[in-house]
Amino acid sequence: KQEVTQIPAALSVPEGENLVLNCSFTDSAIYNLQWFRQDPGKGLTSLLLIQSSQREQTSGRLNASLDKSSGRSTLYIAASQPGDSATYLCAVRWGGGADGLTFGKGTHLIIQP
Amino acid sequence: DAEITQSPRHKITETGRQVTLACHQTWNHNNMFWYRQDLGHGLRLIHYSYGVQDTNKGEVSDGYSVSRSNTEDLPLTLESAASSQTSVYFCASSESGTGGRSAFFGQGTRLTVV
Repeated sequence: KQEVTQIPAALSVPEGENLVLNCSFTDSAIYNLQWFRQDPGKGLTSLLLIQSSQREQTSGRLNASLDKSSGRSTLYIAASQPGDSATYLCAVRWGGGADGLTFGKGTHLIIQP
Repeated sequence: DAEITQSPRHKITETGRQVTLACHQTWNHNNMFWYRQDLGHGLRLIHYSYGVQDTNKGEVSDGYSVSRSNTEDLPLTLESAASSQTSVYFCASSESGTGGRSAFFGQGTRLTVV
């Protein structure tokens, strides 16, 4: 079964730290991988999309990497701020034509002021 | 700005009733999706559509149906609501085409079946 796993499930760090969130997937034949942010009671906001042919994508203080051969992606957040507190979700679109996304269960991130 | 809107935002219904959740997008995207989000399971795909008159079953489609009569709307119907369908439902859309596109999500509908 194609699955996506995120570790850790929760993380609490002081403001200003650089941090890494991890995502692993069971099948290397992916179309793309997307990182989302979800605030409590809200919808999902797309942060970064990495195509299967790419190794990384950057947006501001966020950098996402993709290693298909090892089935891993990481989301790096530089100089964390309290406003970064949210749940971060990793989602994979598998190869083979299925257009829906398979999500990990998320990492709940708290940045302490 | 283009957006994707879900209604209602909150709904309480009784077991056995038929319920329809609305999803409307102004992105002009061909692809639309419905997911449910539950503690311990994350988001799971219910149904999806690649365009008008096209619908497909996802991972957890039992007890749900969708229809696509135009590009903008993909309503989700619970034929006979069950307590197990208490969840938060999210609608999403994306452009069609190979290579993948970003998916855009609505704000969600919190459904409680009592």
